[in-house]
Amino acid sequence: QQPVQSPQAVILREGEDAVINCSSSKALYSVHWYRQKHGEAPVFLMILLKGGEQKGHEKISASFNEKKQQSSLYLTASQLSYSGTYFCGTGAGGTNKLIFGTGTLLAVQP
Amino acid sequence: DTAVSQTPKYLVTQMGNDKSIKCEQNLGHDTMYWYKQDSKKFLKIMFSYNNKELIINETVPNRFSPKSPDKAHLNLHINSLELGDSAVYFCASSLGLAGVNEQFFGPGTRLTVL
Repeated sequence: QQPVQSPQAVILREGEDAVINCSSSKALYSVHWYRQKHGEAPVFLMILLKGGEQKGHEKISASFNEKKQQSSLYLTASQLSYSGTYFCGTGAGGTNKLIFGTGTLLAVQP
Repeated sequence: DTAVSQTPKYLVTQMGNDKSIKCEQNLGHDTMYWYKQDSKKFLKIMFSYNNKELIINETVPNRFSPKSPDKAHLNLHINSLELGDSAVYFCASSLGLAGVNEQFFGPGTRLTVL
C-alpha cells in the first residue's frame, strides 16, 4: 500500500512556508524524504527513524509520529530552488525496501 | 566523479525487442536497487540486491531479469518489450539496509517502447 501524501500540489511565493504530509496504513520504523526536480533523479533530504533519530540536511526539518504512522516535512522561508516533487519513502518492519508515496509537487514563484 | 551512473540515458525501441540497462556505483555501497517511475511519477521498487544477492523482487514480470556481477554493478535486462514498459528506470544504491540508509539515485534511463 502506497503512502498517501498531501497536498498533491502547492504553489508558494518565495519566503513562504509549506508543510507536506505523508500517511501510511502500515506500522513504520522509518520515513525518508526525497526531492526530485523535473528531469532529474530523486535526491535525499532526510531520514526519520523510530525512536527519534534523524539524519539529514540541516536546513530541512520534519516530524515522525510513529503511532499515527505519519510524517510531515516543513519547508520554511522557501526559495526558488525548493521547487520540485517531494516524495516520502516508508520503511516497514520486516522488509528491506522503501515504499514511496504519491508525491507532492511544489512550485515556488518569485 | 559520478556516484551512481546508468547507461543509456535514453532508449527508444520497438515492441518485442530485448534491451539492457547498465548501472554502476563507485560509493562502495553493498545494496543496489532498480526503480520504475511511470508517467504519473509513481516511484516503485522493482528489485534489490545486497552483495550480489537478490533480496527484493516485487512481483515484476519474468521478462525483467536483473543481474549483479559484483556489488558495484547492477544491470537490468528486459525481454519482449511491451508498450507498458515505457517509463524512467532509476538505479540506486545505499550502504546497508534500505529502511535506515540514504539512497543515492542514478540519473535515470528513459525507455520508450513504440
